[in-house]
Amino acid sequence: QVQLQQWGAGLLKPSETLSLTCVVYGGSLSGYYWSWIRQPPGKGPEWIGEIIHTGRTNYNPSLKSRVTMSIDTSKNQFSLEVTSVTAADTAVYYCARGRSVTTAFGGVVVHQYYFDYWGQGTLGTVSS
Amino acid sequence: SSELTQDPSVSVALGQTVTITCHGDSLSTYYATWYQQKPGQAPVLVIYGKNYRPSGIPDRFSGSRSGNTASLTITGAQAEDEADYYCNSRDSSANLVVFGGGTKLTVL
Repeated sequence: QVQLQQWGAGLLKPSETLSLTCVVYGGSLSGYYWSWIRQPPGKGPEWIGEIIHTGRTNYNPSLKSRVTMSIDTSKNQFSLEVTSVTAADTAVYYCARGRSVTTAFGGVVVHQYYFDYWGQGTLGTVSS
Repeated sequence: SSELTQDPSVSVALGQTVTITCHGDSLSTYYATWYQQKPGQAPVLVIYGKNYRPSGIPDRFSGSRSGNTASLTITGAQAEDEADYYCNSRDSSANLVVFGGGTKLTVL
C-alpha cells in the first residue's frame, strides 16, 4: 500500500522560505507525477507544480517565480520550496501522486489525470 | 481557459439522488476526476477516468461526461456523503493541473 508522509512548513514570517518534504512508502517514484497542492483556509485546492523521477519539473505559472521542487530517488522523496512567502501563502500543503493515462475508445483518444494518493497535509502559516 | 466551474452548494434529502457538475474547456480532452473532502482531512479520490471507482468507494458514486461538462452522481445519498466535492483535470494546452472551486454537499 502506497503511503505519502510529509513534513515541514509550520509558522513562518513574511519573506521567509517555506520548505516541505514528502517521502513515498510502498512504491516507486518512476512512472508518476509527484505534485504539491495547497489549500488556503476555506478555499479549494490549488496545484503548485509537479516533478517526475528524472527531476523534470512543471510549475503553476502563478507561482513559478517563487517555487523550486526537487527529488531524491535514493531516499524515495521529493521536496518543495516557496520563497518570499506572504500571508497569501498560508494554506494546508499536500503532496500527492499524479497518474496520467491515455486510452482510445472507438478511435477517439481520451486522457485522464488523477491524484490517487495524498499526504496527510501540513499547515503553513505566514504571520509577522 | 484553464478554469473548472462548480456550483458552490447543493443539497439532497437522505436516500435521494444528487448530481454535482463541473464545467470547463479542458474537459473536452481530459476526463474529470472527482474528490471528496471532509473537514480537516485530505481529499479522497472517488471517481476517475470514464467512470472508475477506487477500491473502497461505494457504487452509489458514479461519473459521466457530456461535452465540456462532467457530472458526479450519488444515487441514494447517505449522511456520510456530506462533504466538499472537487473536480480536477489537466489542461493540456497550458500544461497545468486545474481544480474546480468545489461544491458543498448537504444531506438533509
